[in-house]
Amino acid sequence: AQKITQTQPGMFVQEKEAVTLDCTYDTSDQSYGLFWYKQPSSGEMIFLIYQGSYDEQNATEGRYSLNFQKARKSANLVISASQLGDSAMYFCAMREGAGGSYIPTFGRGTSLIVHP
Amino acid sequence: NAGVMQNPRHLVRRRGQEARLRCSPMKGHSHVYWYRQLPEEGLKFMVYLQKENIIDESGMPKERFSAEFPKEGPSILRIQQVVRGDSAAYFCASSPTGGRSGIDGNTIYFGEGSWLTVV
Repeated sequence: AQKITQTQPGMFVQEKEAVTLDCTYDTSDQSYGLFWYKQPSSGEMIFLIYQGSYDEQNATEGRYSLNFQKARKSANLVISASQLGDSAMYFCAMREGAGGSYIPTFGRGTSLIVHP
Repeated sequence: NAGVMQNPRHLVRRRGQEARLRCSPMKGHSHVYWYRQLPEEGLKFMVYLQKENIIDESGMPKERFSAEFPKEGPSILRIQQVVRGDSAAYFCASSPTGGRSGIDGNTIYFGEGSWLTVV
């Protein structure tokens, strides 16, 4: 079974608009971490944001925020005020805690295109 | 992600040759992960290493692939007798701990990847 599901293969957004990239996860662990990475066309993987399962507040990093809904097992990435440079692939990942393997698993990614 | 160094960035090998990919983790990081990314796909876990130990190699093909992380020097992913299907991007990532606590313990940082092309 997929541990990380990203249902949107591609998303389009107008520059300066906000966009939400979906991510749902599957785990029976109580302790886990959720991550988002950005992969631009140049290929490198850039860490964006982290949310721990026990964190009560949604994580934020500049224009990125993580909408963490634990009961729904979702960890959507919200990018506010999109910029042309945000066009990239975005990957959601999870690292399970004490009962898991500590090996981060990744979703298949969502391609985001920002239009001027 | 600055600090995780991978080389070479691009590598071309003929079928049957060997490919060696190197990864130096970030300073202070003792955990190394190798992932493979095929075109249009996400990252697939291959192997997880700590210094001188392979912790989990469940994602590694049983034949032709091997990995090491010696006491001194970089981690190396070695592919023997490469075939066209080995053409992919290979990413190395490192973390300071095995994921015990908080963002600093949990976050893994990636290198820029090594693109292998088998001709």
